[in-house]
Amino acid sequence: AQSVTQPDIHITVSEGASLELRCNYSYGATPYLFWYVQSPGQGLQLLLKYFSGDTLVQGIKGFEAEFKRSQSSFNLRKPSVHWSDAAEYFCAVGTFTGGGNKLTFGTGTQLKVEL
Amino acid sequence: DVKVTQSSRYLVKRTGEKVFLECVQDMDHENMFWYRQDPGLGLRLIYFSYDVKMKEKGDIPEGYSVSREKKERFSLILESASTNQTSMYLCASSSPAGNQPQHFGDGTRLSIL
Repeated sequence: AQSVTQPDIHITVSEGASLELRCNYSYGATPYLFWYVQSPGQGLQLLLKYFSGDTLVQGIKGFEAEFKRSQSSFNLRKPSVHWSDAAEYFCAVGTFTGGGNKLTFGTGTQLKVEL
Repeated sequence: DVKVTQSSRYLVKRTGEKVFLECVQDMDHENMFWYRQDPGLGLRLIYFSYDVKMKEKGDIPEGYSVSREKKERFSLILESASTNQTSMYLCASSSPAGNQPQHFGDGTRLSIL
């Protein structure tokens, strides 16, 4: 069965610093991979997705992620963090089961931004 | 823009009550999902539906049921609410293609007293 590990529960960075959030997945085939962000009291918003092709994908709000098959990783990066990026971030792997796509989520990483 | 609307942002119910959580989407999506979100556990899939009147169990279906009578509406039912069902509940929808993301509502924070 597929699984997703986000090893960092909490991360604190200073505004303007670079950011990398880690995500490792377990899945037998080529995965569909997603990063979502959740602001307090809100639902999840899609940041970016990977299905095939270029392993470096660009998303909204200046985020990017790199798929590394050899490491089973899909880490999220941003070169310069803004205070408004403080939120919880979820990595997910999608599996297509014939009738539709299911997502398996990691436990999330809470990002705090220091001014 | 996809809109997934959950009927209540906050809900307080009593132990033993039958509770209905409603979700409506406006994008004609075939697939709809119910998750619960708890601190440190991420999102866990309760039930999902690939089409009208179809439902499948997710990872934690115990104590829950669902109803999908119309394509745009997916209801989560707590048959007899218990305090361990206090949680944030999130609804999502998507088209059936494997490479399509799920779109989420803002969630219902449910407290069972």
